[in-house]
Amino acid sequence: QLQLQESGPGLVKPSETLSLTCTVSGGSISSSSYYWGWIRQPPGKGLEWIGSIYYSGSTYYNPSLKSRVTISVDTSKNQFSLKLSSVTAADTAVYYCARQGLPTLFDYWGQGTLVTVSS
Amino acid sequence: DIQLTQSPSFLSASVGDRVTITCRASQGISSYLAWYQQKPGKAPKLLIYAASTLQSGVPSRFSGSGSGTEFTLTISSLQPEDFATYYCQQLNSYPAFGQGTRLEIK
Repeated sequence: QLQLQESGPGLVKPSETLSLTCTVSGGSISSSSYYWGWIRQPPGKGLEWIGSIYYSGSTYYNPSLKSRVTISVDTSKNQFSLKLSSVTAADTAVYYCARQGLPTLFDYWGQGTLVTVSS
Repeated sequence: DIQLTQSPSFLSASVGDRVTITCRASQGISSYLAWYQQKPGKAPKLLIYAASTLQSGVPSRFSGSGSGTEFTLTISSLQPEDFATYYCQQLNSYPAFGQGTRLEIK
């Protein structure tokens, strides 16, 4: 059974960089059939796609966040990571990682991790 | 950018009711639409993709229909475990979600 698990700091200061890692188990991140994505959900609000990566390193990002987002992959560790720079309180959210089937279907999700931006 | 608008935003219903949630796209997306269910404190769960294909393991009381710009999610007979928030998502190019429909017990 495929499982995804987010990890990283739960508290980030304003203007700093949010960093999260998603560890995939029960399957290979190097599968040619899938992208791997990050989605976030501010408290009490809806879902927002952040960006996605293929095992080769090919990425695409939400245009509204593109200038601040970097997603990378480490196939040796079966992990992919998110960096979001210059964070503000508006970036406070539960961050999910997910497997993305074609074309953009999210069929397996991590449990999510709450990241709070506060001084 | 393709915008998705769900209606209603909030729905109150009783166990056994038949309910329908609508998702409208700002431009045609063929059948490139999925539906997710999210319960409090949990990750979203994929219910339906390609507008009408039931994900494995999802009960048959859930069904989806539509194409182009208008789509519906129907639950034929509500069960207690169905009270949750439902999101549609367009599957073209950049993923985008509707704002959600919160389904509560009447």
